[in-house]
Amino acid sequence: QSALTQPRSVSGSPGQSVTISCTGTSSDVGGYNYVSWYQQHPGKAPKLMIYDVSKRPSGVPDRFSGSKSGNTASLTISGLQAEDEADYYCCSYAGSYTPFGGGTKLTVL
Amino acid sequence: QLQLQESGPGLVKPSETLSLTCTVSGGSISSSSYYWGWIRQPPGKGLEWIGSIYYSGSTYYNPSLKSRVTISVDTSKNQFSLKLSSVTAADTAVYYCARQPQPLRYDYWGQGTLVTVSS
Repeated sequence: QSALTQPRSVSGSPGQSVTISCTGTSSDVGGYNYVSWYQQHPGKAPKLMIYDVSKRPSGVPDRFSGSKSGNTASLTISGLQAEDEADYYCCSYAGSYTPFGGGTKLTVL
Repeated sequence: QLQLQESGPGLVKPSETLSLTCTVSGGSISSSSYYWGWIRQPPGKGLEWIGSIYYSGSTYYNPSLKSRVTISVDTSKNQFSLKLSSVTAADTAVYYCARQPQPLRYDYWGQGTLVTVSS
């Protein structure tokens, strides 16, 4: 088993939209609708932003959305704000194993 | 409001066993809806799932760590614990505990505790 693949970094200007991809295999991302996304600011614990591919926990702005196609899941952040600058991690159910992605650093220009 | 708090030594010698406890407050660890997990993050690196446990004691572990990891639960104290044996410098990380609604998401996290492996 190996970690899910994410781009090392993405960037966007305030108000724009960005999409972060998370690529796995048919044994994890492609095999189950149980992908979750986490936001982590420096020195802080991760925060759940999306679960079950596209569901948002209470309190998460609707600017954050998730989707999946085949073995790749995506997190889209629309209307970028300065406070969205953080690291983002995906995670997928894979039976008896729950790999995380390597993480993507989002820079708001 | 559910809270999780990690506790344990911040410094462990190489080849020894790392031991951490997660205390859950504001909710019961015996709920049938949740697993409870350990995740770690080496300095400057990404998240790595270590393993998870159900209140009944059922566990599953990261295959890459399975031979060295033991996770246990104490429902009377509303705690679950992590033991990682034969540690090396590569095990230096911030260790987080988290609640895991089935089948998979981590919705409540502890603040994390840094464990350094050094002589």
